[in-house]
Amino acid sequence: GAGVSQSPRYKVTKRGQDVTLRCDPISSHATLYWYQQALGQGPEFLTYFNYEAQPDKSGLPSDRFSAERPEGSISTLTIQRTEQRDSAMYRCASSPGRGSGANVLTFGAGSRLTVL
Amino acid sequence: SQQGEEDPQALSIQEGENATMNCSYKTSINNLQWYRQNSGRGLVHLILIRSNEREKHSGRLRVTLDTSKKSSSLLITASRAADTASYFCATERSGTYKYIFGTGTRLKVLA
Repeated sequence: GAGVSQSPRYKVTKRGQDVTLRCDPISSHATLYWYQQALGQGPEFLTYFNYEAQPDKSGLPSDRFSAERPEGSISTLTIQRTEQRDSAMYRCASSPGRGSGANVLTFGAGSRLTVL
Repeated sequence: SQQGEEDPQALSIQEGENATMNCSYKTSINNLQWYRQNSGRGLVHLILIRSNEREKHSGRLRVTLDTSKKSSSLLITASRAADTASYFCATERSGTYKYIFGTGTRLKVLA
């Protein structure tokens, strides 16, 4: 697509439920990122993909968080057994991923998760 | 936290004045970028400086990079009310495509 699309834009769930967020990156982009952003804070790195490979998932807060990108395009971020502290904006970004040191990130509008 | 640090955390200036914000980071980098975010909306790329560059200009923006001090600064000249936003630096770690963002500077430009 022309831009990075995220869904849902807003998700309200009860503590203990599982949630899956979706990101549809720019179609030509090889690299895809997930960030978590709390109100008034900078985006915190969660994980990234280079095509379907996931070279770094060091930012995932716990094993309740997982992400996948099975065909190297659309990605999902799943949070199992949600907790109130998981409430945040989850932002996806993509970049061309080719050529060293020249990767501008294009961000989606984000998915705001509220855990009650 | 993996985040870099920015200062000041908040900055309030009059329209027409210059705004300077600073970013410090911790690791070797391929490049450093600055992004703007308006009122919790999406982040928008402003400018990129590579690790072998010291200064770069784009319109009213001037970025400097000092890799020996692991720091960068963003200067916005002749600020406008529309520049009111949060500004974040992001560093791409050497040998990876991993980008780490700073804590941000909230800029308010008063008309």
